[in-house]
Amino acid sequence: AQSVTQLGSHVSVSEGALVLLRCNYSSSVPPYLFWYVQYPNQGLQLLLKYTTGATLVKGINGFEAEFKKSETSFHLTKPSAHMSDAAEYFCAVRKTSYDKVIFGPGTSLSVIP
Amino acid sequence: EPEVTQTPSHQVTQMGQEVILRCVPISNHLYFYWYRQILGQKVEFLVSFYNNEISEKSEIFDDQFSVERPDGSNFTLKIRSTKLEDSAMYFCASSERGELSVGQYFGPGTRLLVL
Repeated sequence: AQSVTQLGSHVSVSEGALVLLRCNYSSSVPPYLFWYVQYPNQGLQLLLKYTTGATLVKGINGFEAEFKKSETSFHLTKPSAHMSDAAEYFCAVRKTSYDKVIFGPGTSLSVIP
Repeated sequence: EPEVTQTPSHQVTQMGQEVILRCVPISNHLYFYWYRQILGQKVEFLVSFYNNEISEKSEIFDDQFSVERPDGSNFTLKIRSTKLEDSAMYFCASSERGELSVGQYFGPGTRLLVL
């Protein structure tokens, strides 16, 4: 069965500092991987996704993630945090293009001025 | 850009009442899903629906829940007799068919409060 773990339920960074949110997955087959962001009292917005091909994936709002098969990881990074990045971030995995999405527990990102 | 829509955005109901949450998936999508998120917790899969039948459901999706695609555009989630623990945000999602389209598009959610 697929599962997703996110190290750190809460991460705080200073404005302008590097953002690193960790995600590891377990899957018997190469999965599709996603990062979703949820701003307070809002729905889920797709930040980026990995399907096949290039392992470094760029998303919206300056975020990117790197798929490392050997480490079964898909960590999310952003070089310089902005106050508007404060939100809940969910890593997710999907076995096929039409299978259900399995979400990680989420990481709450706080940005300190 | 096409999007998934959900109505209502908020619903308050009394315990034991029936509620119907409505979703309009993206028009050319064939796979439909419901998820829920209890406050402060992760998003959990409820059910997937394809070709007018349930293709997969989770343990959460018990006999109190049902889904329906009553016409060519709407996709509904019914909770027959709501419980306090059904209070959550409910997200609808849809997908195209085929490996070329991997994204699952989520609606904005319906926040359900059971009193």
